[in-house]
Amino acid sequence: DAKTTQPTSMDCAEGRAANLPCNHSTISGNEYVYWYRQIHSQGPQYIIHGLKNNETNEMASLIITEDRKSSTLILPHATLRDTAVYYCIGSGNTPLVFGKGTRLSVIA
Amino acid sequence: EAQVTQNPRYLITVTGKKLTVTCSQNMNHEYMSWYRQDPGLGLRQIYYSMNVEVTDKGDVPEGYKVSRKEKRNFPLILESPSPNQTSLYFCASSYLQDQETQYFGPGTRLLVL
Repeated sequence: DAKTTQPTSMDCAEGRAANLPCNHSTISGNEYVYWYRQIHSQGPQYIIHGLKNNETNEMASLIITEDRKSSTLILPHATLRDTAVYYCIGSGNTPLVFGKGTRLSVIA
Repeated sequence: EAQVTQNPRYLITVTGKKLTVTCSQNMNHEYMSWYRQDPGLGLRQIYYSMNVEVTDKGDVPEGYKVSRKEKRNFPLILESPSPNQTSLYFCASSYLQDQETQYFGPGTRLLVL
């Protein structure tokens, strides 16, 4: 299973783009990258996943480098409600292995 | 609305008094799972089920039981709760062919005295 590393914490100004990086240098060719977030004490929420192409949905965009060793989750216009812990997870992890994630604080 | 529901959301009980936490999903998912979350330890899987009448142990199954008699329900049973089972519990579900895209319930905060 692909191990991931993320910064412990990040701040972002409200209304600005939040860019959350993730390193997954051990990911194999057929392993997807999944992103979840957990708002304080709520259930984790699936955000997006991708294999090698960039992906976008109503919540976020996912940019995966060509060598697939890292990715960036982008919240285009962060709001206070986006304050949460964000987890980057390599597929093949069932059960999901959440790690410590990145604590994103969106500041007014 | 597609959702996973858990009941109760909060529970205080005493050591040894059997309890059940219910979990129900309305998305016709085959896969269901229970996790517990503790400070510094992250989310750990307790039990999971790939379909009706099929259950299996996760990473921390000791002290817990589950059943899957219907596709939509996956109750977590603590036959004789102990204080080390004080935790935040989450139920999750997904399609069998997409187990990494899980939908989580709101959580049940349990305190065992």
